[in-house]
Amino acid sequence: DTGVSQDPRHKITKRGQNVTFRCDPISEHNRLYWYRQTLGQGPEFLTYFQNEAQLEKSRLLSDRFSAERPKGSFSTLEIQRTEQGDSAMYLCASSLTSGGLFSSYNEQFFGPGTRLTVL
Amino acid sequence: AQTVTQSQPEMSVQEAETVTLSCTYDTSESDYYLFWYKQPPSRQMILVIRQEAYKQQNATENRFSVNFQKAAKSFSLKISDSQLGDAAMYFCAFYSGSARQLTFGSGTQLTVLP
Repeated sequence: DTGVSQDPRHKITKRGQNVTFRCDPISEHNRLYWYRQTLGQGPEFLTYFQNEAQLEKSRLLSDRFSAERPKGSFSTLEIQRTEQGDSAMYLCASSLTSGGLFSSYNEQFFGPGTRLTVL
Repeated sequence: AQTVTQSQPEMSVQEAETVTLSCTYDTSESDYYLFWYKQPPSRQMILVIRQEAYKQQNATENRFSVNFQKAAKSFSLKISDSQLGDAAMYFCAFYSGSARQLTFGSGTQLTVLP
């Protein structure tokens, strides 16, 4: 296993178009996270899944954003009607968590990200 | 809500010298974790070091060590014997069991001069 992978690495789109990104976590990792990172800033949490269940969503995740993890393996993040403000790096991370919701931290492994440019 | 502040947007260090990156945070939680992540240019983020808040002993990983001051809510990273490969953006991050998400600072761009 070579780590978390994301596809595509770069995406250029025109305002108003829909885009979809894919994340493949490390095998057997049950948690999957999406973050957004704008230029010169740290990543900001968007949402996370435990297996196929989406357990938390940030207020940053407007109704134009939707994330899925249908079989508890890979995940997709779709942005509808893209806006220029959506231009950012979208990072995916995964972890293996054995405990419950309030379990101790298990390291999140990050993918290389998808850089989105909205023209 | 937790906040993480990195007040040094850029730092530079001479190769083989020591540099300290600063981080402060704010939380009402008593049980949490703190991290330093490294993000090299065009490469993915990797964990450098972690500190559990309940541990009084500062974490050390080879040339990387932290100075964790819980009462002051301060968490600095010291890099000893700096190498050219240490050049990257460094992020301080916070995690608590109740939040279940990483909260990052704005980062410090470290340049290592040959």
